[in-house]
Amino acid sequence: QKEVEQNSGPLSVPEGAIASLNCTYSDRVSQSFFWYRQYSGKSPELIMSIYSNGDKEDGRFTAQLNKASQYVSLLIRDSQPSDSATYLCAVVTNAGKSTFGDGTTLTVKP
Amino acid sequence: GAVVSQHPSRVICKSGTSVKIECRSLDFQATTMFWYRQFPKKSLMLMATSNEGSKATYEQGVEKDKFLINHASLTLSTLTVTSAHPEDSSFYICSARERPITEAFFGQGTRLTVV
Repeated sequence: QKEVEQNSGPLSVPEGAIASLNCTYSDRVSQSFFWYRQYSGKSPELIMSIYSNGDKEDGRFTAQLNKASQYVSLLIRDSQPSDSATYLCAVVTNAGKSTFGDGTTLTVKP
Repeated sequence: GAVVSQHPSRVICKSGTSVKIECRSLDFQATTMFWYRQFPKKSLMLMATSNEGSKATYEQGVEKDKFLINHASLTLSTLTVTSAHPEDSSFYICSARERPITEAFFGQGTRLTVV
């Protein structure tokens, strides 16, 4: 079992829809959770961080964390073609160990 | 967000030569820096983790004598690919973070082509 699992996709949604990206992790002492977006040929860029259970909203993005279920998700509202990218989930333990998922490829169709 | 600068963005070198890639944190002190390698349409592969002032910790299967990592200051880490061969051609990306549980920020990446 991978330490951080994401559906590889591709996930395809129409423009204006909500895109839902999911991530599960195995290490219960994980403390920090991050979502990165990576466009083809570019390096990842941080879009959301979440540290406590519940929802965290930033513009069109909402991160959701459920530590009991070891699950973190990213919702993108009003999806735009420019959101088409690979989304990486990253999990950091309290010892500082950082693990990335393999990423979910999102395509937003006009 | 914080800025991590990586140079060069592209480099072409001849087989057998060495290439140095620099990674700098511009507006924060990076106690930890990470080096990744990524092939087209593949996931990030962690090569090594370096903490300022100490030797890098390499992931299994990564040759430490081939990929030399130096983290001499809180704002600079370098990766030197020694005796490069065509199979070393890849996208190399660094990231840096200030504290253990905080976010890491990525450099722009370096596309290395060995001919």
